[in-house]
Amino acid sequence: DTEVTQTPKHLVMGMTNKKSLKCEQHMGHRAMYWYKQKAKKPPELMFVYSYEKLSINESVPSRFSPECPNSSLLNLHLHALQPEDSALYLCASSQETAGPGLAVYEQYFGPGTRLTVT
Amino acid sequence: GNSVTQMEGPVTLSEEAFLTINCTYTATGYPSLFWYVQYPGEGLQLLLKATKADDKGSNKGFEATYRKETTSFHLEKGSVQVSDSAVYFCALNTNRDDKIIFGKGTRLHILP
Repeated sequence: DTEVTQTPKHLVMGMTNKKSLKCEQHMGHRAMYWYKQKAKKPPELMFVYSYEKLSINESVPSRFSPECPNSSLLNLHLHALQPEDSALYLCASSQETAGPGLAVYEQYFGPGTRLTVT
Repeated sequence: GNSVTQMEGPVTLSEEAFLTINCTYTATGYPSLFWYVQYPGEGLQLLLKATKADDKGSNKGFEATYRKETTSFHLEKGSVQVSDSAVYFCALNTNRDDKIIFGKGTRLHILP
């Protein structure tokens, strides 16, 4: 099973709302990622978790708050978003994170949550 | 820094035509190379990969060979189908950090 699942598939929220995106994998992967993808652009990395600890934050605004409750789950909490935050949010996982002297593992992506901020 | 350059789209072909999508890269060290495909309204799917020079990745009739001498990883398919219509991303990753570098993507339209 090489599946990463994401819920919800679509989300519409106002600028004062609080919502959460959820991602789940059961491949035993120890690295999980959040990406943001605008229309007709490649995905942009937001956060990386390795062994349930945040290892990379790509200077993402604090209105996005990631959480990794366990090795299979990854959440992205949203609060006070702006219309320009509307995008497809993709979750991915890989066996391990890469690093000096380590192998590079492919990342498996979920189907994404299409977020619209009104 | 590391970068990936792929041909601009959209690319429009007739069914059963031969496909080539060019991809070149710049990287320090020895990157792993990937092609991802994104069908309309979906997330990214790993199409194929190659981890060292002269490796050939293949899947679903698609192929790409890791050419270190030309720093290229061109995607090819001998006979495309309408169902191959999608956006294709060339990408690299190194073990220096864990950040995938994506090309800008090539939109492919296959006409019946």
